[in-house]
Amino acid sequence: NAGVTQTPKFQVLKTGQSMTLQCAQDMNHNSMYWYRQDPGMGLRLIYYSASEGTTDKGEVPNGYNVSRLNKREFSLRLESAAPSQTSVYFCASRPLHSGRLVTDTQYFGPGTRLTVL
Amino acid sequence: GQQLNQSPQSMFIQEGEDVSMNCTSSSIFNTWLWYKQDPGEGPVLLIALYKAGELTSNGRLTAQFGITRKDSFLNISASIPSDVGIYFCAGRETSGSRLTFGEGTQLTVNP
Repeated sequence: NAGVTQTPKFQVLKTGQSMTLQCAQDMNHNSMYWYRQDPGMGLRLIYYSASEGTTDKGEVPNGYNVSRLNKREFSLRLESAAPSQTSVYFCASRPLHSGRLVTDTQYFGPGTRLTVL
Repeated sequence: GQQLNQSPQSMFIQEGEDVSMNCTSSSIFNTWLWYKQDPGEGPVLLIALYKAGELTSNGRLTAQFGITRKDSFLNISASIPSDVGIYFCAGRETSGSRLTFGEGTQLTVNP
């Protein structure tokens, strides 16, 4: 299993450009998440998808949109990039259960490092 | 939203020393998780805690779910250079459905 994969690994955009960050997981997990990581601020939730066909806003959704294309894939779109969106973006997934227990454990991808000039 | 206070922000230690870090919250949590992030990588789960008072080990790492359910501790014994990285706590409130992450503890181990 590859786990959680993200593309691209690095991206440089100009202000106003758009792009889509891709995420896929091969663990048959129900829930998927997009976070951004900024220095000294930990991980902040942008959007999440509790199950296929549903998406919800997290803590910092402004300027982003998401699509849960199917159970495996969850993409994050920046329609008009701004310098404030320079960050490292992580996708994560979570199974509904681990053994017989409901689990909160999330598994992370390697990240996309985005710079907006 | 809910904030987790993680301390210390950074630590510089000698190889072989023990390390302690902790997270506190203002509300009661049902879950505490500890992650490690190596440079240029995503966070990797170290330990998951689901019960107040629970003490769990993973090799040289030991984590505890505080009795008050508002804090958690991570200890690393006999540190080695590959322990270098950022350690994050994360938790889920009793009434919540999402994880909240601490700001991280940057650990540096000098050989």
